[in-house]
Amino acid sequence: AQTVTQSQPEMSVQEAETVTLSCTYDTSENNYYLFWYKQPPSRQMILVIRQEAYKQQNATENRFSVNFQKAAKSFSLKISDSQLGDTAMYFCAFMNEAAGNKLTFGGGTRVLVKP
Amino acid sequence: EAQVTQNPRYLITVTGKKLTVTCSQNMNHEYMSWYRQDPGLGLRQIYYSMNVEVTDKGDVPEGYKVSRKEKRNFPLILESPSPNQTSLYFCASSPHPGTGSLGYTFGSGTRLTVV
Repeated sequence: AQTVTQSQPEMSVQEAETVTLSCTYDTSENNYYLFWYKQPPSRQMILVIRQEAYKQQNATENRFSVNFQKAAKSFSLKISDSQLGDTAMYFCAFMNEAAGNKLTFGGGTRVLVKP
Repeated sequence: EAQVTQNPRYLITVTGKKLTVTCSQNMNHEYMSWYRQDPGLGLRQIYYSMNVEVTDKGDVPEGYKVSRKEKRNFPLILESPSPNQTSLYFCASSPHPGTGSLGYTFGSGTRLTVV
């Protein structure tokens, strides 16, 4: 079974600074997808960024980028130029199509952006 | 607007009183799933459905039932709720399995308290 681990329960960052969230996963599969979801106080789950395992290039979406290390099974999220609206819970998630469409989540990292 | 609609948003009930949380999607998605979110544990899958009349257990199915009589609806049923089912519940959907890179669309969550 796949597992996803987020080792940082909470992180804080000053506005305009950069913060990096760590995520590691365990799988024996070669083809899979990785995601970062944001959950603000409104509780809505918002897809931030996705990465296909067969792509070596790291995904980027505006101020959000990932560092995907397939051999190390690591998938960290970097938030650049942090904004107050980035304050939220962030979840790393894994999906392997061979096991259906199941998303397996990490325990989450709470990010607080301070003014 | 493409969305997953969950109701109710908040629910307080007493132990043993049957309840149903409704979920409906308007995107013609084949795959639907229920998750519960608990602090430190992230989101864990309760049940999922690959298509109409096809359902299967996730990681934490005990105490829950589901049905998929129509493609758009996937209700979660608690026949005899207990306090350990107090949690935040999410319904989610995605297109046909094999399109995993698209991730899920989530409902807005149901905060359930069982006293």
